[in-house]
Order: sequence, then structure tokens, then C-alpha cells
Amino acid sequence: GENVEQHPSTLSVQEGDSAVIKCTYSDSASNYFPWYKQELGKRPQLIIDIRSNVGEKKDQRIAVTLNKTAKHFSLHITETQPEDSAVYFCAASILSIQGAQKLVFGQGTRLTINP
Amino acid sequence: DAGITQSPRYKITETGRQVTLMCHQTWSHSYMFWYRQDLGHGLRLIYYSAAADITDKGEVPDGYVVSRSKTENFPLTLESATRSQTSVYFCASSVAGANEKLFFGSGTQLSVL
Repeated sequence: GENVEQHPSTLSVQEGDSAVIKCTYSDSASNYFPWYKQELGKRPQLIIDIRSNVGEKKDQRIAVTLNKTAKHFSLHITETQPEDSAVYFCAASILSIQGAQKLVFGQGTRLTINP
Repeated sequence: DAGITQSPRYKITETGRQVTLMCHQTWSHSYMFWYRQDLGHGLRLIYYSAAADITDKGEVPDGYVVSRSKTENFPLTLESATRSQTSVYFCASSVAGANEKLFFGSGTQLSVL
């Protein structure tokens, strides 16, 4: 079936260190891969996304890499800060039989930044 | 984002009752989505809609009904609530589909006793 696997489920790093979260997807036709951040009690918000025609995208301390051959993509956060503590979700777009796009999410990673 | 609102914010109901969760967006976005969030499962897609009168099932549609008679509204109905439907429900919208940024509502926390 169509699914997105995300690892690890929890991640704890020291402030200033880097954090990496990895996802794999099953549908080779997927072409859009966003990452959402959800702070405690808040709604998910898009932080970065990548499309299948590029292998890497960077926005300040956040970067995402995509390996279409292996069907996996990763989120990299450098120089982590306390405000990076949140749950992060990866997702992949999937084309339905009816021709509409739907977004399937991974299970989430709870990232904790230790001061 | 104030442009997409969900109501109620909290809801407690009993098994077997019908419950409707409301979602309203003011941007005229074509696509709208309903997700449920449960610990260990992330965000799972219940139903989505590409336009008014066009809806389709997601990953976990059983026990839910949706309608989209107007572009701005996308209500989710639990026909006969079960305890397994206790969850946080998020509505989202996007301009042109799942290949674009999703704007999420603030969520509805539903408890089925």
C-alpha cells in the first residue's frame, strides 16, 4: 500500500548539535515531499519541502535531501536551538486512481533539544 | 492561520451518537483535507476533496462521512461514534492540491466515552 515510514520516533540532541530525521516512501510516482513541524498543542506548519526534480534544498539551518532511487528523504537541522523542540512529520504526495493528489504523513519524530 | 477555522475546539460525546466537526476556510482553496492525529500514528488522512462536490477516501475513511456543497466548507460527520474515534482531528486546505503547502486548522479534540 501507500505508506511513509519515519525514523526515529524520538530524538534527543544537545543544543548546538545536528539532528537528522529519515523517511522512506513506497510509491515511486510520489513527487512532492514536505516536512511539517508541530509544537506542543499547536497545528502542524510547513517548514521546508522538496520536489522530485531536485536532490537537496536548504533554508538557513534546515536542509532536506532526496534520493529517488532509494525512495528516501531526510531532514537535517544544524546548530539546534531549544525552539527546535517539536514533533516533525515527513510526508509524500500520492496520486490517487481518480487523478487527485493526496498527502500521506509519516508517524512523526519527537525532537528534544537539551540545553 | 485565521483563514481556516474548525469548530468545536473540544467535544465530548457518547458511543453511538452522531457528531459533526466543522471546517471553514476563507481563501477559496480548491483542496480540503481531514486528518486524525493519534499517538504513534502521526497524521492519517480520512477524506479529502479536490473541489465542491468532489470527495475521495483517504487511508482511514470507515465510520466517517464528508460533504462539500460549498468550496469554503468541509464538514466531517461521525455517523455512530465509537471509542476508537477518540482523537484530534485536523482540517487543512491548499490552493491546488497535495503538491502545495497545506494550511491546517487549530484542530478539534474529540473524546468518545
